[in-house]
Amino acid sequence: SAVISQKPSRDICQRGTSLTIQCQVDSQVTMMFWYRQQPGQSLTLIATANQGSEATYESGFVIDKFPISRPNLTFSTLTVSNLSPEDSSIYLCSVLRGGEAFFGQGTRLTVV
Amino acid sequence: DAKTTQPTSMDCAEGRAANLPCNHSTISGNEYVYWYRQIHSQGPQYIIHGLKNNETNEMASLIITEDRKSSTLILPHATLRDTAVYYCIVRPYSDDKIIFGKGTRLHILP
Repeated sequence: SAVISQKPSRDICQRGTSLTIQCQVDSQVTMMFWYRQQPGQSLTLIATANQGSEATYESGFVIDKFPISRPNLTFSTLTVSNLSPEDSSIYLCSVLRGGEAFFGQGTRLTVV
Repeated sequence: DAKTTQPTSMDCAEGRAANLPCNHSTISGNEYVYWYRQIHSQGPQYIIHGLKNNETNEMASLIITEDRKSSTLILPHATLRDTAVYYCIVRPYSDDKIIFGKGTRLHILP
């Protein structure tokens, strides 16, 4: 299994500001994944974060809006920039180990 | 895009077996069938996976048809705590990402 610590667990932010979400894994992993879950919806993959290289973004997501850092093999951050109410969602990080995916408990973001 | 089709929602009486279907008619030979569930406000949780043989663990059983175009997740004795959204996913074992479909919202009724 994998233990993933994600923080903050929730936040309320003003529109136009940014929120940085941290994800810490209990052991080294090659790739970390960031998802968004809008209210009542399924999970949507934002990007894949590789250590030592730029993140790979899925269609519809851009680096300017969702910059990602991956300074080492156990840690990553996702920043949601220039917040608008449409960014109100749960954001989750995930890792793969042995073919199985493990998820953090998510960050619930509310933009007011 | 997700490669699976699932019913939007299902009900099941507590104590009965919950049978959740999934269609994956375009599955490739190297792709596994994975099931995850997401209980409200939590991150998704792995349940089970299989390639072509039926699988069973302490949580559930997975029945895959012989042509591998569909499968059924079985929760043998559903409890209220099994109320969740269940996601069926097909992917190679070592693929580097998971794409979620819409899943099935399972309601366990007391």
